[in-house]
Amino acid sequence: DADVTQTPRNRITKTGKRIMLECSQTKGHDRMYWYRQDPGLGLRLIYYSFDVKDINKGEISDGYSVSRQAQAKFSLSLESAIPNQTALYFCATSDRTGTVRETQYFGPGTRLLVL
Amino acid sequence: KQEVTQIPAALSVPEGENLVLNCSFTDSAIYNLQWFRQDPGKGLTSLLLIQSSQREQTSGRLNASLDKSSGRSTLYIAASQPGDSATYLCAVRDGGSQGNLIFGKGTKLSVKP
Repeated sequence: DADVTQTPRNRITKTGKRIMLECSQTKGHDRMYWYRQDPGLGLRLIYYSFDVKDINKGEISDGYSVSRQAQAKFSLSLESAIPNQTALYFCATSDRTGTVRETQYFGPGTRLLVL
Repeated sequence: KQEVTQIPAALSVPEGENLVLNCSFTDSAIYNLQWFRQDPGKGLTSLLLIQSSQREQTSGRLNASLDKSSGRSTLYIAASQPGDSATYLCAVRDGGSQGNLIFGKGTKLSVKP
């Protein structure tokens, strides 16, 4: 089984709808992240959480919210979806190995299309 | 603000060639630099991580170098194979962004049989 799972893998929604993307991990890591990837723009950080009680905004948090329900679960919500939120969304985790050795482990991604 | 640039954006080579992918970053205050591989429809897989105090790392046919003072890294792939076809992403763990990863836009590699 995959260490980092994302549901759904694909989602089509309409403008104005509220949707939630879910991420679960079995790696036992404290840190979790949400990114979006757009063609020509690379990966950009939306939100990150260093533990259950710590939530931080990333580079592009406007229009998104998150919930860290447990160490293993981190959800991303679009309160009112708009077409420019169409993108590939990735969840990632990392442990506290220290910043020089710390790496991130990525889920398979959720492809979101907002019509 | 840290910026990461990867050149070229796309590369096509015949099987068996050795090749080099380039990555540059604007701020040398980094904790580490990582190279990831991304296959279509899949997530990112970490290939190599070079700590800020290191000069290079090797894994199989892959060798990554880091010159922090000049803000450059290269990923060398020896004897390329069609299975190496993927997008390669460079990311730095930035000292000025709470240690978060800053990604380049990637190099899309195609290895022709």
